[in-house]
Amino acid sequence: QVQLVQSGAEVKKPGASVKVSCKASGYTFTNYFMHWVRQAPGQGLEWMGIFDPSAGSTTYAQKFQGRVTMTSDTSTSTAYMELSSLRSEDTAVYYCMVTDYYFDHWGQGTLVTVSS
Amino acid sequence: AIQMTQSPSSLSASVGDRVTITCRASQGIRKDLGWYLQKPGKAPKLLIYAASSLQSGVPSRFSGTGSGTDFTLTISSLQPEDFATYYCLQNYNYPWTFGQGTKVEIK
Repeated sequence: QVQLVQSGAEVKKPGASVKVSCKASGYTFTNYFMHWVRQAPGQGLEWMGIFDPSAGSTTYAQKFQGRVTMTSDTSTSTAYMELSSLRSEDTAVYYCMVTDYYFDHWGQGTLVTVSS
Repeated sequence: AIQMTQSPSSLSASVGDRVTITCRASQGIRKDLGWYLQKPGKAPKLLIYAASSLQSGVPSRFSGTGSGTDFTLTISSLQPEDFATYYCLQNYNYPWTFGQGTKVEIK
């Protein structure tokens, strides 16, 4: 079955960077774009961007341009999302997800806490 | 970016009630919209894709309608497991955008 397994929770200081991983299994990794979505505590869902594992191309939400980098290692079917210059407002659960009409799967989420 | 205006932001309802949630897009998005249910501490779960197609395994009490700018999610008879937060997501163009969410609470 399709699984997206994310890395564990992180605690970072303001100004630092965080890199979250998302290991995919149960489907052909390069056939589907990988999205990243975040959710601040008690808030709604926010789309961050998309990565095409077959082409290595990205589209980022303007809000994150210059601070986010999405990559992958196709040999291990793992996607990565790195967010830099962290601030307290970046405290959130970060999700990876693949979706294409009815093909819709999410990781379990990774809590990133930014605190001095 | 396309703005998705979801309403209401919250509602109280009883088991068996018919519940309707709406999403309005700031521009036409054809039928490129999905509806998700999220429970606390869990990842969202897809209910409806392409505005009106029921995801496999989702009970038939859930239905979606609409195209262009106006969309509706209906729960025909609310069940205890349906108390959660619901989101719409437009996937017409980038950046994809979610509605603000509708929290469905027990009356």
